[in-house]
Amino acid sequence: NAGVMQNPRHLVRRRGQEARLRCSPMKGHSHVYWYRQLPEEGLKFMVYLQKENIIDESGMPKERFSAEFPKEGPSILRIQQVVRGDSAAYFCASSPLPRTSGVWAEAFFGQGTRLTVV
Amino acid sequence: TQLLEQSPQFLSIQEGENLTVYCNSSSVFSSLQWYRQEPGEGPVLLVTVVTGGEVKKLKRLTFQFGDARKDSSLHITAAQPGDTGLYLCAGHSGGGNKLTFGTGTQLKVEL
Repeated sequence: NAGVMQNPRHLVRRRGQEARLRCSPMKGHSHVYWYRQLPEEGLKFMVYLQKENIIDESGMPKERFSAEFPKEGPSILRIQQVVRGDSAAYFCASSPLPRTSGVWAEAFFGQGTRLTVV
Repeated sequence: TQLLEQSPQFLSIQEGENLTVYCNSSSVFSSLQWYRQEPGEGPVLLVTVVTGGEVKKLKRLTFQFGDARKDSSLHITAAQPGDTGLYLCAGHSGGGNKLTFGTGTQLKVEL
């Protein structure tokens, strides 16, 4: 997973504050995926983005959560008015293409941002 | 909703033992990946299997994709403490753009 950079590694927010999580994909990768992992659980898909486009946000909560991947700069996952239930590890993955000849293009994960809401 | 069930959920063994982790679904996947995740880190890709019946080996790890592409297994020979971690399978369906992750198997290998 070297190459996908996430920051910060740890983030503490009080209830009601905003959390901004950043992800810089591997060099040459133009597709970014965000996943959430709750303690003792597997990874749950949140959103899939290409540069300047949200392709699939079927896993995003309807309120308070948003994501972007601008033409320049990292992808941002934004959580407004955080609540304790938002405490989790948030992982970003990147790939060069979503599919290559019908086969999943391998995605590589960053080290995650661990959000704690107090 | 596609679900990937892994078994066992927890596994604690002694160094040198063999083990198998299973990943099962009622859905067909166009490809399946195995990851290992250590505490405080992100998942690290181990292998991708694509063809039904495919077998791939990575040193002491052997991965198999079921003939019907609904299930997969990971076999570790002569486990070592360095194999300790959370093993995750993840499937991709041709019509979608996201990986569906399994429930995970937490492996602990003791001296």
